[in-house]
Amino acid sequence: DVKVTQSSRYLVKRTGEKVFLECVQDMDHENMFWYRQDPGLGLRLIYFSYDVKMKEKGDIPEGYSVSREKKERFSLILESASTNQTSMYLCASTLRKAGQGKTLNQPQHFGDGTRLSIL
Amino acid sequence: AQTVTQSQPEMSVQEAETVTLSCTYDTSESDYYLFWYKQPPSRQMILVIRQEAYKQQNATENRFSVNFQKAAKSFSLKISDSQLGDAAMYFCAYRSAVNLYNFNKFYFGSGTKLNVKP
Repeated sequence: DVKVTQSSRYLVKRTGEKVFLECVQDMDHENMFWYRQDPGLGLRLIYFSYDVKMKEKGDIPEGYSVSREKKERFSLILESASTNQTSMYLCASTLRKAGQGKTLNQPQHFGDGTRLSIL
Repeated sequence: AQTVTQSQPEMSVQEAETVTLSCTYDTSESDYYLFWYKQPPSRQMILVIRQEAYKQQNATENRFSVNFQKAAKSFSLKISDSQLGDAAMYFCAYRSAVNLYNFNKFYFGSGTKLNVKP
């Protein structure tokens, strides 16, 4: 089974701090994602990465950055945390490779989530 | 961009009964995948069922089945013989099957909270 591990289940930080959320997957997946989950808004994509050192902005990248130095690890960074970044953060991974120009019907595999509170 | 809409923020069902969760999506593509995910309270989000748009037959996984209406862009989830363990947030998701730039985003709905009453 695929395992996606997020470093913390709960995290409390102060406004202005630099915050690191870590995610590791053990299935050699090319694609990794960071989402933010808020009530009534579902999952919103912050950033994704399709290979080592490659990253693309998602729908809500402002205030965040990411790092992917190794294939299995994808880090989300809050450069200067603010109270409106209090949320649940989900990491996910999936296979990228496909044949004949099509993606696979592979689902995303999620971590347990990190509930981040910024005071 | 594709949008996924779940119009029922919350639903309740009696244990052992059947419930249907609704999902609609908007796309101009003809080939794509649809997924239902389950997120139990304080637990990991997991895949419930998936459907490939080019397949007319509705997907089924034990007590979970879908009603896929491609023309109507509708993808509802039916849970039969509901169990207490089915209580969770359920998310509908869309992914294009066309492999542009070696990557395709997943688009998620806002979720439906399912309560199961004993």
